[in-house]
Amino acid sequence: DSGVTQTPKHLITATGQRVTLRCSPRSGDLSVYWYQQSLDQGLQFLIQYYNGEERAKGNILERFSAQQFPDLHSELNLSSLELGDSALYFCASSPTDSFYGYTFGSGTRLTVV
Amino acid sequence: AQKVTQAQTEISVVEKEDVTLDCVYETRDTTYYLFWYKQPPSGELVFLIRRNSFDEQNEISGRYSWNFQKSTSSFNFTITASQVVDSAVYFCALSSGTYKYIFGTGTRLKVLA
Repeated sequence: DSGVTQTPKHLITATGQRVTLRCSPRSGDLSVYWYQQSLDQGLQFLIQYYNGEERAKGNILERFSAQQFPDLHSELNLSSLELGDSALYFCASSPTDSFYGYTFGSGTRLTVV
Repeated sequence: AQKVTQAQTEISVVEKEDVTLDCVYETRDTTYYLFWYKQPPSGELVFLIRRNSFDEQNEISGRYSWNFQKSTSSFNFTITASQVVDSAVYFCALSSGTYKYIFGTGTRLKVLA
């Protein structure tokens, strides 16, 4: 157990729907990162939150949004889902910045049908 | 531009053979960090090692060893006496002064009994 908890582990939904992925960081970690792993794009950075505030954005679609709550857990919201959004979504956490090395969660596998 | 290249898409070895996974990186920053992660069939990303740009010492951890050479911008990973449990996808990643990691495309290692 890495200490980073992601729920749900698997999610199957239809095109056009909206889903929420949840991440609880490792105890003491202030930064949360979201990554998408797809077959054609590999591991792509989506967004980072630090202590409740958005710190950086990567290749995140406008249909996607995220937030980090006061208890430091984070949610990634995916809306108007398309078949191409099917992927493994990882959350990672680190104490402060990324230099210390991420601890990844086990991921949420999203399948859009 | 920052880039990580893992030219070996897939490697197959017989158990007990040694195997080296190559990683070549590009960055203009003088301070950066390199990482290796393992992704077993179960899907989670497991942290293996972090190396900063000022530390060119090779690292050995059990059957794993890493060779960092700034002159060739490489950070190669060797598994000695490979075992079936080493079968996984291995990712090399670069972080240089930013929040995110740049991941390579991964090398799938198959260790045959």
